[in-house]
Formats: sequence, C-alpha cells, structure tokens
Amino acid sequence: AQSVTQLDSHVSVSEGTPVLLRCNYSSSYSPSLFWYVQHPNKGLQLLLKYTSAATLVKGINGFEAEFKKSETSFHLTKPSAHMSDAAEYFCVVSDPPGNTGKLIFGQGTTLQVKP
Amino acid sequence: DAMVIQNPRYQVTQFGKPVTLSCSQTLNHNVMYWYQQKSSQAPKLLFHYYDKDFNNEADTPDNFQSRRPNTSFCFLDIRSPGLGDAAMYLCATRPLDRGGEQYFGPGTRLTVT
Repeated sequence: AQSVTQLDSHVSVSEGTPVLLRCNYSSSYSPSLFWYVQHPNKGLQLLLKYTSAATLVKGINGFEAEFKKSETSFHLTKPSAHMSDAAEYFCVVSDPPGNTGKLIFGQGTTLQVKP
Repeated sequence: DAMVIQNPRYQVTQFGKPVTLSCSQTLNHNVMYWYQQKSSQAPKLLFHYYDKDFNNEADTPDNFQSRRPNTSFCFLDIRSPGLGDAAMYLCATRPLDRGGEQYFGPGTRLTVT
C-alpha cells in the first residue's frame, strides 16, 4: 500500500525567506509523486511531478522538489517566498496506472507568508 | 485552452432537496474522478469512471450517485443532501494510458441550508 505523510500541518515564513514543506512517502512500487497547490475556494493546481526521471524536479512559480529514495522523501522548496504563495499544499503519490491510478493525498500543509 | 470546467461554482440547496453538480472536459481524457473536500481536509475520492466503467469507493454513501453520458460530461447527483454534505466537490480527469497527474476543475462549493 502507498501512503504519504506531510510532516507539518502549518508553516509560517516571512516574505523573501526560503520555504521548505516536508513530505515522506511509502510505496511498494517506483512511485510517481506530485505537489499540488490549492488557493482558497479554488481547485488543485499541479506544481511539479516526479516520474522516475531526474531526481531534482523544477516546477512552476520557482518551486522545486528533490526525490530522495534513501530517505523516502520528496520535500518542496522555494528560495524566496512571495505573498501569493500563501495556500494549502498537498504532497501526493499515485497508484500505478496498471492498478487504479488513484491519487493518495497527504493531509496538507498550510503555508502562511508574513509581510 | 483545454480544461476541466465545473458548474456552478457555488451551489446552495436545502436539506433533503436533490442537487446535481456538473463537470465537463475538453481534454478528451478517458478517466474522470469526483472528490469531496471538507474544510481543512485533503480531497476524498467518491468514485471514478474508466470510460463508462463506473467504480464506486467502498465508503461512498448511497446518497451519492454519478452519471457519465459521454466522454466530455460527468454529473454528481446528491439525492437527499444532509448538512454533512456541505463541502467543495472537485472533478478531475486523466488519460487512460498514462498514470500520474490528474487535471482538476475549479470545484463547486456546496452549501446545505
């Protein structure tokens, strides 16, 4: 069975400082991992994805994540936070397409950005 | 632009009054999903379609039904909404032959009075 654990339910940073949102995964397959962002009353937007290519994945809006198999981690980072980054972030692993292709969500991390 | 569209964005219904939420997509994806998301929680999968093949999650209440008349459209019917059904409802799609990311619509916020 696959699972995802987001280690922080709430992260607060000042504008212009680095962002780190932590995610650990468990998977019996070679995983496909994603970070989605959700702004209030909006749908989920894909930030970036890892699908067994490069371990350092670059996404939109300056975000990136590094897949570390030895640590079973897929942490999301950004060098400099912007006020518009304040949102809910979900780390997600997908069931292989040969199974159900379902997404397994972490519980989410709320990112607060202070002026 | 190809996309996933949900209508309406906000829906208010009365306790016990049937309501239908709609989702359409221009991506021509075979697989469509319906999620329920309550405040401060992750989305919870209700059911999904592989083409016309319907797959219900084991813990989805019977009160929730779905229809997919064609590739582009999918409907969520709540037969007798309760106060506990107030939530954001998200539709998502993906191509059948490619796992991984799903493409989400903007969601419908359902209020039950």
